Amino acid sequence: DAGVIQSPRHEVTEMGQEVTLRCKPISGHNSLFWYRQTMMRGLELLIYFNNNVPIDDSGMPEDRFSAKMPNASFSTLKIQPSEPRDSAVYFCASDSGANEKLFFGSGTQLSVL
Amino acid sequence: GNSVTQMEGPVTLSEEAFLTINCTYTATGYPSLFWYVQYPGEGLQLLLKATKADDKGSNKGFEATYRKETTSFHLEKGSVQVSDSAVYFCALRPQGYNKLIFGAGTRLAVHP
Repeated sequence: DAGVIQSPRHEVTEMGQEVTLRCKPISGHNSLFWYRQTMMRGLELLIYFNNNVPIDDSGMPEDRFSAKMPNASFSTLKIQPSEPRDSAVYFCASDSGANEKLFFGSGTQLSVL
Repeated sequence: GNSVTQMEGPVTLSEEAFLTINCTYTATGYPSLFWYVQYPGEGLQLLLKATKADDKGSNKGFEATYRKETTSFHLEKGSVQVSDSAVYFCALRPQGYNKLIFGAGTRLAVHP
């Protein structure tokens, strides 16, 4: 299995632009998580889905952030409009729910200028 | 609420030194506890876990014991290698919840 696949690997954009991050979880995994990593706040859970349904989005910073999971093999995290303080590494992770092991993607390094 | 506190880094050691990275937690009920490791430019990987009190998780020479009386899950390794240089995250999964809460991470640098 290719593991959790995220794209793009790096994204540089200007303030005010829309940013879309993409994630393909491991086939057969029914839970998907979006995390954000910064030096100041460490690793924060933004939102997670179970069977494509958002379960907990309490970590989403504000209305500029939205996440979707239209099917079991694809999820997006969108920021509109983006701001410099959104600069971070965004990780997607998935698990099967059975063995409590999270598999992480390689992350998207986002820089908002 | 649920939270994880780790010792601040960076931790700098010579090769073959003994490693301890402290981790304490706050949680209701009986959480599962984890250590994840992040190598440069990569996502996190599970290092070890323990799901109940007094369990010891171990992997690649690392070990940690779930201590409910002290709410701790300290990571130890008897002899570190340069290749162990990474950021180590302690995490908990609250009982009945399907999400992980991570500590801030501790950077370990091992030099020859």
